Amino acid sequence: NAGVTQTPKFQVLKTGQSMTLQCAQDMNHEYMSWYRQDPGMGLRLIHYSVGAGITDQGEVPNGYNVSRSTTEDFPLRLLSAAPSQTSVYFCASRKEQGTNEKLFFGSGTQLSVL
Amino acid sequence: GDSVTQMEGPVTLSEEAFLTINCTYTATGYPSLFWYVQYPGEGLQLLLKATKADDKGSNKGFEATYRKETTSFHLEKGSVQVSDSAVYFCALSPLSSNDYKLSFGAGTTVTVRA
Repeated sequence: NAGVTQTPKFQVLKTGQSMTLQCAQDMNHEYMSWYRQDPGMGLRLIHYSVGAGITDQGEVPNGYNVSRSTTEDFPLRLLSAAPSQTSVYFCASRKEQGTNEKLFFGSGTQLSVL
Repeated sequence: GDSVTQMEGPVTLSEEAFLTINCTYTATGYPSLFWYVQYPGEGLQLLLKATKADDKGSNKGFEATYRKETTSFHLEKGSVQVSDSAVYFCALSPLSSNDYKLSFGAGTTVTVRA
């Protein structure tokens, strides 16, 4: 009964470093997405995928890359971390792309960039 | 574009008090409306939803009615408990069933004191 699993839970980076946030789901969901959560701004969509091999940009894609080689995994890469990327990151998935059904969220990754 | 506006927090209440969190939206047509809740240290989870005008969503003692005439979806609970302490997000999904985007409000932090 794992659902959406994110790793790591916490990470501290120096400016310019790169890293990958991992996200995996075991529900055979087609749709996966990454959000960032900032105080007073709610959640903003970074990138999303509607199936293996298909990705697209959300509202705030700059500085992030994604790939979807399998249905289960959707990693988020920070190429050169900046202090503006300090945030809490959530991965979310649902069965199909455009439905009214609920998103399943991971427990989040708290990232600090110094 | 589509957007959601929530009342600013934080909100602090005593147990058994009445809770209202205001949410208004801007969208074309008849979007679907949601309330998500984030308990401390966890990801977001769906609390309730409404998919057409005059629908009432309800769950765990919380209710919200989709009001097209006032473009609102206010969340209410008649008697809150300490366990209701969380961040509450109002969200909107556009009319188009092929649209990926879920727009979130900024979130309202609710603290219930014993």
